[in-house]
Amino acid sequence: NAGVTQTPKFQVLKTGQSMTLQCAQDMNHEYMSWYRQDPGMGLRLIHYSVGAGITDQGEVPNGYNVSRSTTEDFPLRLLSAAPSQTSVYFCASSRDKVKPQHFGDGTRLSIL
Amino acid sequence: EDQVTQSPEALRLQEGESSSLNCSYTVSGLRGLFWYRQDPGKGPEFLFTLYSAGEEKEKERLKATLTKKESFLHITAPKPEDSATYLCAVHASSGNKLVFGAGTILRVKS
Repeated sequence: NAGVTQTPKFQVLKTGQSMTLQCAQDMNHEYMSWYRQDPGMGLRLIHYSVGAGITDQGEVPNGYNVSRSTTEDFPLRLLSAAPSQTSVYFCASSRDKVKPQHFGDGTRLSIL
Repeated sequence: EDQVTQSPEALRLQEGESSSLNCSYTVSGLRGLFWYRQDPGKGPEFLFTLYSAGEEKEKERLKATLTKKESFLHITAPKPEDSATYLCAVHASSGNKLVFGAGTILRVKS
């Protein structure tokens, strides 16, 4: 089983560029979420989705967009990259919002 | 505001030296407390869920306990392969999300 797959694993962008981080899960989970992890700050929720067609903002949504057209995929879009968005991004999924989440191995993003 | 504080930030143990990690939380109604393990370069891996005060869960050398204000992750006779960052997260009844602590970095030396 693949679980949660994130691509790319590493990415370097220039300030102002846009890009999409991909996340796919093969467990038929309804709940999916995006986090960023910065040193000393733990994981912070960016956006989440409780099912296809439904998304909502988390703690740090500014500068990011999401959509959920299918149960399997939950891409995260950076609209205009800024150095403050340099971080490690994790996607996670679970059967519902109170069940344990399964995480991907992350995308390491650097904005120059 | 829901908050999670983990201590210590880092812990160094000798192989076989038992200890505990702490997770203190403030939430408006707890629906679940989660412990995860994270290895370098990897995503967090689920360990335990605790739902109510007094509940305990065990897995190999790890035992998680829960009170109304905090959770402990007890590590008995640790081995070097237990070295990792341990994350605590809470799910409050008022929201749709997990709130994570900053984690405890555990190093076990042989």
